[in-house]
Amino acid sequence: GDSVTQMEGPVTLSEEAFLTINCTYTATGYPSLFWYVQYPGEGLQLLLKATKADDKGSNKGFEATYRKETTSFHLEKGSVQVSDSAVYFCALSYKTGANNLFFGTGTRLTVIP
Amino acid sequence: DAGVIQSPRHEVTEMGQEVTLRCKPISGHDYLFWYRQTMMRGLELLIYFNNNVPIDDSGMPEDRFSAKMPNASFSTLKIQPSEPRDSAVYFCASSLGSGGRAYEQYFGPGTRLTVT
Repeated sequence: GDSVTQMEGPVTLSEEAFLTINCTYTATGYPSLFWYVQYPGEGLQLLLKATKADDKGSNKGFEATYRKETTSFHLEKGSVQVSDSAVYFCALSYKTGANNLFFGTGTRLTVIP
Repeated sequence: DAGVIQSPRHEVTEMGQEVTLRCKPISGHDYLFWYRQTMMRGLELLIYFNNNVPIDDSGMPEDRFSAKMPNASFSTLKIQPSEPRDSAVYFCASSLGSGGRAYEQYFGPGTRLTVT
C-alpha cells in the first residue's frame, strides 16, 4: 500500500547548520508530495509541495525535490534558525480519487543557539 | 479568511462522559478531515467528508466515536462514552477539491482532550 517513511528523530542542530530530513515513499501511482510543519501548540501547516517528478518545492529557505528514481522527497535547508524548531511531516496524496494525505511519523527538529 | 476553526481548544472530562468537538472549515472547501495525534501513534486519519458526505470512516477507532457534517460549514466529532485512552489532540482540516489537481489541507489549531 501507499506509505511514507521518515528518518527517525529527534534531530538537534546548532543555529546556521545544514539540515536534511529524509523522506521516502511507496506508492502505486504518481502522487503529489508535501512537507508539513507543526510548531509547538499549533496545527500542521503546509511548508512546500511538488506535484510531479523532478519538481522542486521551496518555501522559507526550505527545499525538497521529487525524485521518482529513488522515491524520495528529502527536506533541506542551508542554514537553520532557532525559529525552525518544530515537527516536520512528509506526506503524499493523489491528484484524483481519494483526497486524503498519507503522513509520515514526523521528525522533531530542535535548533539551539 | 479565518482559517479552520475548532472548539473547544482544551477539554478536560471524566471517563464515561460524552465529548463533542466542533469544527468550522474554510468557506468553500468541500473536503473535511478529522485527525487524532498522540505520542504513541502519531497522526491518524479518523474520517473524512466530501460535500458533507462521509467517504471513509475506516480510521474511527470504535463505535464510541461518531462524526457528522450537517452542512458545509460545520462538523462534529463525538465520543460517547469517553475513556482515558482517548486523550489526544484532535485536528480538523479542510481542503478544496476539483478534478485533476493535488490538494492542500489546511489544519485547525486542534482540540487537546484529556479524559481522567
